[in-house]
Amino acid sequence: LAKTTQPISMDSYEGQEVNITCSHNNIATNDYITWYQQFPSQGPRFIIQGYKTKVTNEVASLFIPADRKSSTLSLPRVSLSDTAVYYCLVGDPAGTYKYIFGTGTRLKVLA
Amino acid sequence: EPEVTQTPSHQVTQMGQEVILRCVPISNHLYFYWYRQILGQKVEFLVSFYNNEISEKSEIFDDQFSVERPDGSNFTLKIRSTKLEDSAMYFCASCVIKEYVRSYNEQFFGPGTRLTVL
Repeated sequence: LAKTTQPISMDSYEGQEVNITCSHNNIATNDYITWYQQFPSQGPRFIIQGYKTKVTNEVASLFIPADRKSSTLSLPRVSLSDTAVYYCLVGDPAGTYKYIFGTGTRLKVLA
Repeated sequence: EPEVTQTPSHQVTQMGQEVILRCVPISNHLYFYWYRQILGQKVEFLVSFYNNEISEKSEIFDDQFSVERPDGSNFTLKIRSTKLEDSAMYFCASCVIKEYVRSYNEQFFGPGTRLTVL
């Protein structure tokens, strides 16, 4: 399974765009990149998933370069309620089904 | 919106006792998981379950742990003889994967059970 590396923490202000980058140098051909959000004392919640190029949904965008060795989660115009831990996971959705959560990035949004 | 539920929300037990944590996955989901998270640490995979058998398990999931789907709705995690280091939040998750189709498989997590071993 591909190992991921993310910044430990980030601070931002309300209304700003936040970009969190995840490195996954040994990503495999069949692996997808998935991002989860976790609030304190709650289970992780799916944000977005992609394989290559760019994926956008109602809450975030995911940018994946051609070599797929990294990915960037982009949160537009964050609010205080976006303060959470964000995890990047890499794995084959049709393969082992086992997901390795790294230490994640603790995002703190300030007023 | 369908959701994964877990009971109890908090379980306190004495070291050496058996505990059973219960989960009700989303009804049309096929794959089930247990994770744990020790306070302040990362989420750790324990086991995945499909078609009434374990698909994958981590090194954490030793002989003290077992999983079962006793009926069509419940998915349980049993710890036979709890240790102090088993104190953690335990999360159940489920997802649906279409057979033969490589599609995304969003895992839906439950709210967790906080296990405290004294």
